[in-house]
Amino acid sequence: QVQLVQSGSELKEPGASVKVSCKASGYTFTSNAINWVRQAPGQGLEWMGWINTDTRNPTYAQGFTGRFVFSLDTSVRTAYLHISSLEAEDTAVYYCARGVGFCSVGSCSFDPWGQGTLVTVSS
Amino acid sequence: QAVLTQPSSLSASPGTSASLTCTLRSGINVGTYTIYWYQQKPGSPPQYLLRYKSDSDKQRGSGVPSRFSGSKDASANAGILLISGLQSEDEADYYCMIWHSSAVVFGGGTKLTVL
Repeated sequence: QVQLVQSGSELKEPGASVKVSCKASGYTFTSNAINWVRQAPGQGLEWMGWINTDTRNPTYAQGFTGRFVFSLDTSVRTAYLHISSLEAEDTAVYYCARGVGFCSVGSCSFDPWGQGTLVTVSS
Repeated sequence: QAVLTQPSSLSASPGTSASLTCTLRSGINVGTYTIYWYQQKPGSPPQYLLRYKSDSDKQRGSGVPSRFSGSKDASANAGILLISGLQSEDEADYYCMIWHSSAVVFGGGTKLTVL
């Protein structure tokens, strides 16, 4: 079955960096985009952007440029989210989600989602 | 004004129906958008429920019961998620989503309580 499995929880100090992984299985990895979504504690969903797994081209949402980088290792069917210069406000659960449809033209659903990775930023 | 507005909470009794609304900001015509709906239970990731653009362009996610359906209210400029025959397991947060100007926007979510 189609599945996205994310790396485990992280506790980081302010100013550090973190890399979250999202390993795909059950489908052709390069046939679907990977989207990233943030959920702060007790809050709603916030879209961070997506990466085209075929062209490797990333698209970042407003507010997620600069410190946030999407990358891929297609040899191991894995997408990565790298966050640098971590701030307390980055404390959240980060989800990857497979794009189904045509994300490039703004027409795709997110299915399935990874289980989420909790990143806690605290000194 | 937010692009998508959802009521923060809704309560309904088991066996009845619940209508969850997702209102688009004035100036954004619901008729031109596909509305996506997700369900999130505590401690779990969101799950895709369905998408709805029109009666001829809609899709329910794999394994999603037919009790879940989508529609639109053009007069209210809103997308609607209708859950019929409510069950206790339907208690969850529900999020609507659209693609707007090549970016994804989520509504703030509705917490559905079944009691």
